Amino acid sequence: ETGVTQTPRHLVMGMTNKKSLKCEQHLGHNAMYWYKQSAKKPLELMFVYNFKEQTENNSVPSRFSPECPNSSHLFLHLHTLQPEDSALYLCASSQDSYSQHFGDGTRLSIL
Amino acid sequence: GQQLNQSPQSMFIQEGEDVSMNCTSSSIFNTWLWYKQDPGEGPVLLIALYKAGELTSNGRLTAQFGITRKDSFLNISASIPSDVGIYFCAGRRTGANNLFFGTGTRLTVIP
Repeated sequence: ETGVTQTPRHLVMGMTNKKSLKCEQHLGHNAMYWYKQSAKKPLELMFVYNFKEQTENNSVPSRFSPECPNSSHLFLHLHTLQPEDSALYLCASSQDSYSQHFGDGTRLSIL
Repeated sequence: GQQLNQSPQSMFIQEGEDVSMNCTSSSIFNTWLWYKQDPGEGPVLLIALYKAGELTSNGRLTAQFGITRKDSFLNISASIPSDVGIYFCAGRRTGANNLFFGTGTRLTVIP
């Protein structure tokens, strides 16, 4: 098993759909993160969970809803997204505040 | 907000040449990380630096944590075609848990 696994790898959805992105880490880390990666922009931190508790919400619109049922799994629930939400969504994990390990991302396209 | 200035934005080099890129911040950092991202994949950690002045190598890659704590450098020696990709710097401010990312350096190696 690779360290951080994200599914699906690609997702196309309409603006009225509801879908979820999943992330699973097999590294025994205690922190998990969601990032948004858009072309020609730095990685944008969206949410941080430490020991399943959300410790950061970086002014993310409510149409993105994270869920962390345990320290190995992280979800991002999507609802009523906008075209500008099309991007690569990356999940990462870390042990405490040390280096973060990333998954391969979900490429999201909003029609 | 915190900004990391990464340069150059892109580089085109001949196979066998050495490469240098750098990252500067307006704040003092206690951690610098360098990642590489290949198309369709997530960023992969190359080198982590935790002490000012630290010089660390990983094969043909060498990175340094600047003495001022506000910058870091990545050098690649004797480049090969598989070095192609986007290189990101990331840093963590003292007292903060989260990483700030640069906008990336896109490297193209011409065989």
